[in-house]
Amino acid sequence: GAVVSQHPSRVICKSGTSVKIECRSLDFQATTMFWYRQFPKKSLMLMATSNEGSKATYEQGVEKDKFLINHASLTLSTLTVTSAHPEDSSFYICSAKTSGNGADTQYFGPGTRLTVL
Amino acid sequence: QKEVEQNSGPLSVPEGAIASLNCTYSDRVSQSFFWYRQYSGKSPELIMSIYSNGDKEDGRFTAQLNKASQYVSLLIRDSQPSDSATYLCAVSTYGNKLVFGAGTILRVKS
Repeated sequence: GAVVSQHPSRVICKSGTSVKIECRSLDFQATTMFWYRQFPKKSLMLMATSNEGSKATYEQGVEKDKFLINHASLTLSTLTVTSAHPEDSSFYICSAKTSGNGADTQYFGPGTRLTVL
Repeated sequence: QKEVEQNSGPLSVPEGAIASLNCTYSDRVSQSFFWYRQYSGKSPELIMSIYSNGDKEDGRFTAQLNKASQYVSLLIRDSQPSDSATYLCAVSTYGNKLVFGAGTILRVKS
């Protein structure tokens, strides 16, 4: 149980284009999903908290107009990197929070490696 | 500011030994504590969660929590080369977002 998927696993795009990353909870409903990014040899940096049916809450320093988050259902959240630039190249990871016992446990998706040329 | 501190390592242990990973946290009202394992190029995988003072065992893994000392640890018995990874300590307060430590690199030598 508690499986989270992400798609795509890897994407290469040209500078200036937009990239959409999907995060799905496969066997549970997730009222809250989180988006992180991780640079090489660094720890995870929380970008935003996504709640189903409401606006995402962004961490300080994260541009909400650049990183668009939509949490349309209890099993799907999307992150769109708009007008991507080489400095946006990173490993983007989503997580989903379960409900019930251990309700604050986060399960991570496999991540999406974005390379912007 | 809420902080979670870990020794970055690398921690090197021989195969079959006990690996001991430590973590301290600054927010005294923290409620939930997690250990994640992350292999290079992969996303974090949950190993253990612990909520109460004392020990919690799951197979070769034991998590230990001491809220008075604001300290949480992970013991890995009979360490295997496949345990070589970065171990992330994470702390949350009242079900809110997780605060991660920078991680400890573990190397198990065969």
